[in-house]
Amino acid sequence: GNSVTQMEGPVTLSEEAFLTINCTYTATGYPSLFWYVQYPGEGLQLLLKATKADDKGSNKGFEATYRKETTSFHLEKGSVQVSDSAVYFCALSDGVDNNNDMRFGAGTRLTVKP
Amino acid sequence: SQTIHQWPATLVQPVGSPLSLECTVEGTSNPNLYWYRQAAGRGLQLLFYSVGIGQISSEVPQNLSASRPQDRQFILSSKKLLLSDSGFYLCAWSGWTGRMNTEAFFGQGTRLTVV
Repeated sequence: GNSVTQMEGPVTLSEEAFLTINCTYTATGYPSLFWYVQYPGEGLQLLLKATKADDKGSNKGFEATYRKETTSFHLEKGSVQVSDSAVYFCALSDGVDNNNDMRFGAGTRLTVKP
Repeated sequence: SQTIHQWPATLVQPVGSPLSLECTVEGTSNPNLYWYRQAAGRGLQLLFYSVGIGQISSEVPQNLSASRPQDRQFILSSKKLLLSDSGFYLCAWSGWTGRMNTEAFFGQGTRLTVV
C-alpha cells in the first residue's frame, strides 16, 4: 500500500541555518505530495504541495521538489527562523481515483534556537 | 469558503466510559473525511476515512468506531474507553477535483485524556 517515510527528529538548528527534512514515498499510482506544519497545540496546516513529477512547491521560504525517479519530496529552507519551530509532516494522496486515504509520515520536530 | 469544526477541544474521561467526538464541514459537498490520532511524541495515525455517507474504511482494528450519518458530519465513537485511547484526535477533509484529491484541511483537534 501507499506509505511515506520521513527523516526522524528531533532536529535542532541555530537561526539562519539551512534546513533539510528528507521524505520518500511508496505509491502505486500518481500521488500528490504535501508538506504540513503543526504548531504547538494546533491542527495541521498545509505548507506546500506538488501534484506531478518535477513540480516544485514553495511557501514562506520553504521548498520541495517532486522527484519521481527517487520517489522523494525533501523539504528545504535556506535560512530558518525561531518561528519555524514546529512539527513537519510529509504526506501523499494517491490521485488515481477518489477512494484513497491521505497518508502521513511520522513527523519531524524542528526546534530553532536564537 | 470551507470550514471544519471539531469539538470538544479537550476532554477528560474515565476508563470504561463512552466517547463521542463530532466533526462537521461547511461550504463543500461530498468531502472525503478522515479521523487521525496523534499520540504524545508520535506521528499521525490514520484511524478512519470516508468517501461518502455510510461508507467507512477502518485502518486500525481497535475499540473505536466511526460513522457518517450525513454528508458533512463525521463522528468518532467508543463504547468503553481504554487508557491507551488518550491522545490528540484530528478530523480532516479533502475534496475531489475530478482528477485528484485536494490537500487535507484539518480541524483544531481534540485532546482526550483517559483517566
